[in-house]
Amino acid sequence: SYVLTQPPSVSVAPGQTATLSCGGSNIGRKSVHWYQQKAGQAPVVVVNGENDRPPGIPDRFFVSNSGNTATLTISRVDAGDEADYFCQVWDTTRHHVIFGGGTKLTVL
Amino acid sequence: VQLVQSGAEVKKFGESLRISCKASGYSFTNYWIAWVRQMPGKGLEWMGIIWPSDSDIRYNPSFQDHVIFSADKSTSTAYLQWRSLRASDSAVYYCARLVVRGDLGVDVWGQGTTVTVS
Repeated sequence: SYVLTQPPSVSVAPGQTATLSCGGSNIGRKSVHWYQQKAGQAPVVVVNGENDRPPGIPDRFFVSNSGNTATLTISRVDAGDEADYFCQVWDTTRHHVIFGGGTKLTVL
Repeated sequence: VQLVQSGAEVKKFGESLRISCKASGYSFTNYWIAWVRQMPGKGLEWMGIIWPSDSDIRYNPSFQDHVIFSADKSTSTAYLQWRSLRASDSAVYYCARLVVRGDLGVDVWGQGTTVTVS
């Protein structure tokens, strides 16, 4: 089955850039969705599979996807970005949703 | 567009349970609904999806023999049901609407239902 691998944690200082990776076999050929989940809240979409941000998500959030790694980059990180971030793809063969294990972003 | 889930539940081992997810603001029968489990301190686990129009269901094999999905078109409500709860079912359960953005992904999440099994 298809597996998405995310680092468990990433730490950055305020104002710096956070890079969150999501690894999967030939993930560059897939549409990758990214979700942010703050403590005690439901997840929200930050970037969808067409690389668009929903209304209200700042342009500090942007993505890239090539080869075996998709990346969510958050520039000028602030305390409000501290959350868990999950990547997700759709397995077209088995008609399954696949989530990565999530990365906890800590703002130092 | 909104998905509103039923309230927190506290149940005993072996009891049955059904939680709900009421959709509003869109045509309920035209979108897949996914169910997602999040155990305490853990990540998101996909349980499966249901197409409310004809109740076509795709279960994650890890959950297939333990949960039941259903949908009521007349009330635009999706349901997640257990016949016999286990302690390991203690978790937050989310419903979510899937849309095609490249491939299928979530655009709207419910607020979550906390299930505690003692």
